[in-house]
Amino acid sequence: EVQLVESGGGLVQPGGSLRLSCAASGFTFSSYEMNWVRQAPGRGLEWISYISDSGGTIYYADSVKGRFTISRDNAKNSLYLQMNSLRAEDTALYYCANRGLGARPGYFGYWGQGTLVTVSS
Amino acid sequence: EIVLTQSPATLSLSPGERATLSCRASQSVSSYLAWYQQKPGQAPRLLIYDASNRATGIPARFSGSGSGTDFTLTISSLEPEDFAIYYCQQRSNWPPLTFGGGTRVEIK
Repeated sequence: EVQLVESGGGLVQPGGSLRLSCAASGFTFSSYEMNWVRQAPGRGLEWISYISDSGGTIYYADSVKGRFTISRDNAKNSLYLQMNSLRAEDTALYYCANRGLGARPGYFGYWGQGTLVTVSS
Repeated sequence: EIVLTQSPATLSLSPGERATLSCRASQSVSSYLAWYQQKPGQAPRLLIYDASNRATGIPARFSGSGSGTDFTLTISSLEPEDFAIYYCQQRSNWPPLTFGGGTRVEIK
């Protein structure tokens, strides 16, 4: 069974930093690209970052570019999101996700349960 | 950036009725469009990818159609568990990957 389990969320002050993790199991992690998608409370979905299976290709949404860094450790089956210079508008539930079976890269067939990040003083 | 506009914002229907949800793209996305269902407190679930392909385990009452800029998700006969929020998403021209604002399907 595929599992994606996020952790590392919490309450942080504006300007602070946080590192999210996503532990993957049930599939060959090193063969799949991964993404972070977030959802502000009561709002819609926003894709924020992508990393290829090898880590050699990385993309960011403009809203987080220069502040967030995505990375992965294929030996540990883990995905990370380093978030710096956090703002109130970064408050959201953060999901890790990948395409799942059968779908193309850029779709999200598997999702974790999310980890909540709250940026507030 | 491709903007996806979903309509209506809210659809009020009764179980057993047919639901028709729309998603319009600001420029052509070919057939590279997906639909997701999200229930309160849950992660989104992929329903349809490449405009018309049902994801694994998705019931046949869900169908997708369209290409270019206009897409439709149809639920042929609403079951009680289908009342949720639905999002469209494109992967045609990325980054960024973008989502529509969502359509809430509520019980009338």
